[in-house]
Parts: sequence; C-alpha cells; structure tokens
Amino acid sequence: EVQLVESGGGVVQPGGSLRLSCAASGFTFENYAMHWVRQVPGKGLEWVSFVSGDGTTTKYGDSVKGRFTISRDNSKNSLYLQMISLGSEDTAMYYCAKGRYGIFERFDPWGQGTLVTVSS
Amino acid sequence: SYVLTQPPSVSVAPGQTARITCGGNKIGSKSVHWYQRKPGQAPVLVISDDNDRPSGIPERFSGSNSGNTATLTISRVEAGDEADYYCQVWDTRSDHPGVFGGGTKLTVL
Repeated sequence: EVQLVESGGGVVQPGGSLRLSCAASGFTFENYAMHWVRQVPGKGLEWVSFVSGDGTTTKYGDSVKGRFTISRDNSKNSLYLQMISLGSEDTAMYYCAKGRYGIFERFDPWGQGTLVTVSS
Repeated sequence: SYVLTQPPSVSVAPGQTARITCGGNKIGSKSVHWYQRKPGQAPVLVISDDNDRPSGIPERFSGSNSGNTATLTISRVEAGDEADYYCQVWDTRSDHPGVFGGGTKLTVL
C-alpha cells in the first residue's frame, strides 16, 4: 500500500523559513514524480511544486517561485519542500502527492497533510 | 496561464444525478483529473484521464471531456458524496503546469 506521511509543519513568523518532509513507502520512489499541493483554509487547492523521479527537473507555482525549493532523496524515499520568506498567504495545509512520469501529471495518492501557519 | 472554471456549488437530491462541469480553452485536448475532498480529509482521485475510475471508486462516478468542457457525473447520488470536487490538468507547455479548478461544493439535499 502506498503511504505518504508529511511532517515539519508548524507556526512560523512572517519572513521565516520552514522545511517540510514527506516520507514515502509502498512503491519504487525513484520511478515517480512527486508534488506538493496546498490548501489555504476555506479556499481551493493550489499546486505548489513538482520534482521528477531523478530529481533533475523541478517546477513551481507562480506564487512560490523563488521562495520555495523542492528536492528529494531517493536513497531515503523522502521528499522535501524548503520554504523561505514566508508570508501570511502561505498559511495552508501542505500535502505531498505521488505523481506519474512527468507528463499528464495527476496526484494519487495524497498524504494527510501538514499544517503551516505563518503568524506573529 | 491556463484557467479552469467550475461552478461554486451544485445541489442534488439523493438518488438523482449530479453533473459538475470544468471549463477551459480546448480542454478536450488535455487529460482531466477529478478529486473529491471531504472536510478534514486528504483529497482523493475519483476520475483520472478524463474517464478512468481508480480502483475502489464506485461505478457511479464517471467523466467526460470534449471541446471546452469536462464533466464529472455522479449517478444515484448518496449523502456520502457530499464534498468539494476539483478538476485538474497538467499544462505541459507552461512553466507552472499544475492547474486546479476553483472547486465545486456538492450538496446533497
């Protein structure tokens, strides 16, 4: 069974940084793209970032480009999201999700999410 | 960037058919995926690649995609189907290819 478990969320001050992690199991991690998707409370889903299976290709949503960095460690079956210069607009539940092969991506399954709150 | 448009809400009585639309420019040329999100739970993929139903998803869920509109159809709606539904495409020609619709709240009357 595929499992994705996020961690690293919490309360951070505006302008601060945070690193999210996602531990994956139940599939050959290095063969699949991975994604981060977020949901602001009361709002819709927003795709945040993509990394290819080998980690060489990354993409970002407009609202996080230049501030967030996605990475993966295939030896540890782990996905990461380094976030800097956080603002209140980044307050959200962050989900990691398994992708496919880098084209026609879909998100299946999703982890349970980790909550990031940006507040002073 | 590519834009997907969904109605904010759809209401249907139990046992009836719910249709949730997702509009986008020439969306028929793209693969559309649909997710169900219930309060306090992670989203779940209910339709992949326009009309494929993942394992474990009831046959009552189906999808179609043509022209400028993709549609998620839920037949014989049950109270447990009440949730937010999101369409999604991957716009391969964009630097920020992941695109979600704004979501539709399905209310079972």
